[in-house]
Order: sequence, then C-alpha cells, then structure tokens
Amino acid sequence: QKEVEQDPGPLSVPEGAIVSLNCTYSNSAFQYFMWYRQYSRKGPELLMYTYSSGNKEDGRFTAQVDKSSKYISLFIRDSQPSDSATYLCAMGLDTGGFKTIFGAGTRLFVKA
Amino acid sequence: ETGVTQTPRHLVMGMTNKKSLKCEQHLGHNAMYWYKQSAKKPLELMFVYSLEERVENNSVPSRFSPECPNSSHLFLHLHTLQPEDSALYLCASSQRGGGEGYTFGSGTRLTVV
Repeated sequence: QKEVEQDPGPLSVPEGAIVSLNCTYSNSAFQYFMWYRQYSRKGPELLMYTYSSGNKEDGRFTAQVDKSSKYISLFIRDSQPSDSATYLCAMGLDTGGFKTIFGAGTRLFVKA
Repeated sequence: ETGVTQTPRHLVMGMTNKKSLKCEQHLGHNAMYWYKQSAKKPLELMFVYSLEERVENNSVPSRFSPECPNSSHLFLHLHTLQPEDSALYLCASSQRGGGEGYTFGSGTRLTVV
C-alpha cells in the first residue's frame, strides 16, 4: 500500500464550479499536510499547509484534514480557467525531518 | 532575482556525457533538496542538504553526485546516465525541515538519449 494515494484524474469542470481534490494516507503519525499547485513546465508552488484536523481557508481555497479517516481535501470555490494545473498533496511526520511524502498529483482542467 | 533558480531549463545528453545541473536560492533558507519528477509518479526525494551537510541520500545511483558548496547553491553532477533517468529534476529549498513548505525551482527537463 502506498503511503499517500491521490487520484490522477484528469478532472474536468466548468468555470465557476466547486472543485474537490482528495488524498488518503496510511500513516496515522503524519503531523503536517500541504497542497501544492503545479502549472505546466513549472515547479510546484505551495498553496496551503496545516498541522491540525479541521478546515483552513485562504481566499477561494479551503484545506480540510480528517485525521480519524486519514483523508485530506482541497476545495476550490468559483473555479477559474487559471486554476487549471496539477495539484499535489503532501504530508510528513516531523516538520524538522526533511522528509515530506508527495502524492502523484491530480490534473485539473477548468473550462471557460 | 528572487526565489529558486535552476539552470539549464532543458538538457539533452548522451549516455556517455557528463553534465551538471545548477540551483541557486535567494531566500535565506538553510536546507536544499533535489527531487526527481517522472510522469504520473510522486516526487522522489534524491538528496537533502542542511547547512551545507548532506542529511539524506535516498539510495540514489552513484551516477548522480550532489554538491553543496554553500547554503545558497546546489549542484547535481550527472555521468553515464541511462534513458530511464529522463525526467524533470526539481530543486527546492526550505527553512528547517520543510514542514512549512518548500519553494521549488522551475526544474530542468532532462532527456537521456
């Protein structure tokens, strides 16, 4: 079993839709959780990070962590064509430990 | 210039060549990383340097050789690569261990022929 599972997609939605991106994980000891966005021919860019269960909101983006279910989500409200990218979840045991585990990424297309 | 800069952006090399990838960070971070990104696979951690000392080497073949001369610069020396080494090589930096996120460069797209 992989430590982090992420549906590769692609996921295609119309402009203005609410997008839900998800990852599951197997290691209940993970302490921090992140979402990165990667545009074509670019490196990943950090969107959000959190250390606790619950929701964290930043503009149109909401990150949700459910440690009891070992499940994290990223919601994008009012999606825009500029949100078309690959979204990577990431998580790790120890903020000082240099070992973050990444999901393989979900490819998202937002159609105008 | 700000952020993490990687050069070259694209590289095509033969299996007998020797080449180097360069990374520079302008963020004052104290850790730097090399990651390999292959299609539809998770990022694979290759090497980690913290305060210029290597702290992680993820069973990477010896044909990849990292060098970190100071906290702002990181190199990846390549020699006698195989076609399966073709991938996007990403450099990243972070403060401490990366639990507050990495800043990535745009990567070097490597093709081994």
